[in-house]
Amino acid sequence: QKEVEQNSGPLSVPEGAIASLNCTYSDRGSQSFFWYRQYSGKSPELIMSIYSNGDKEDGRFTAQLNKASQYVSLLIRDSQPSDSATYLCAPMDSNYQLIWGAGTKLIIKP
Amino acid sequence: KAGVTQTPRYLIKTRGQQVTLSCSPISGHRSVSWYQQTPGQGLQFLFEYFSETQRNKGNFPGRFSGRQFSNSRSEMNVSTLELGDSALYLCASSSWDRSYEQYFGPGTRLTVT
Repeated sequence: QKEVEQNSGPLSVPEGAIASLNCTYSDRGSQSFFWYRQYSGKSPELIMSIYSNGDKEDGRFTAQLNKASQYVSLLIRDSQPSDSATYLCAPMDSNYQLIWGAGTKLIIKP
Repeated sequence: KAGVTQTPRYLIKTRGQQVTLSCSPISGHRSVSWYQQTPGQGLQFLFEYFSETQRNKGNFPGRFSGRQFSNSRSEMNVSTLELGDSALYLCASSSWDRSYEQYFGPGTRLTVT
C-alpha cells in the first residue's frame, strides 16, 4: 500500500512568519513530487513540482526534497492570510499515478 | 490559454439514476485523470485516459466508467447511483509527454438523494 503522510493540522502561523509543511511517502520509486493548494470548496491548484533532491524556490514558496529520507516539504515565507488553505502533497508513483496525502490545513493569523 | 473546464458544475440526482460528467482539458493536453473527493476519504483516483486509452484505473466498482474522445475531451459515467457517490468529481489534465504536472478543473459537485 503506497502511503503519503501529512500532519492534518490545523497548523496556525502568524502573518509574516514562515509556514513549514511536511510530507513523508512510502514508495521509494517515486521520482516526481507535487504540492497543491486547495481553498475550501475549490479544486486543487498546483503550486510547486520538484524532481531532484534539494531545494526549489518559486517566489515565497520553497519545496525541499530528500529522496533518501522519503521526505518532501513546502516552506511559505512571509505568510499571508490568503495562504490559509489545505495543502496537499502528491508524489507520483512508477505508474505515473499521483498518490495523495490527506492534506494539512494551514491557518495564517493576522 | 484556457484552463480545464468541467460540466455541469452542480448536479442533483436520485438513487438508482445514472449520470455523465464532462471534462475538456487544456489545449494540447492528452492525458485526463478523474478523481473523487469526499470529506472523509480525501482525493481518490478513479481512472486516467491518454490518447483515448484507459491507462490507469483506481479501486472503484464497475459502475464508474469513462472514455476519452479524439479531441482529448473526456466523460465519466456513474450508473445506478448510490448515496455514497455524493462527492466532488474532479478532472485534471496533463500534457504528460512534456510534463507530469496535472491541472485541475473546477469540479462537478454531485449530490445523490
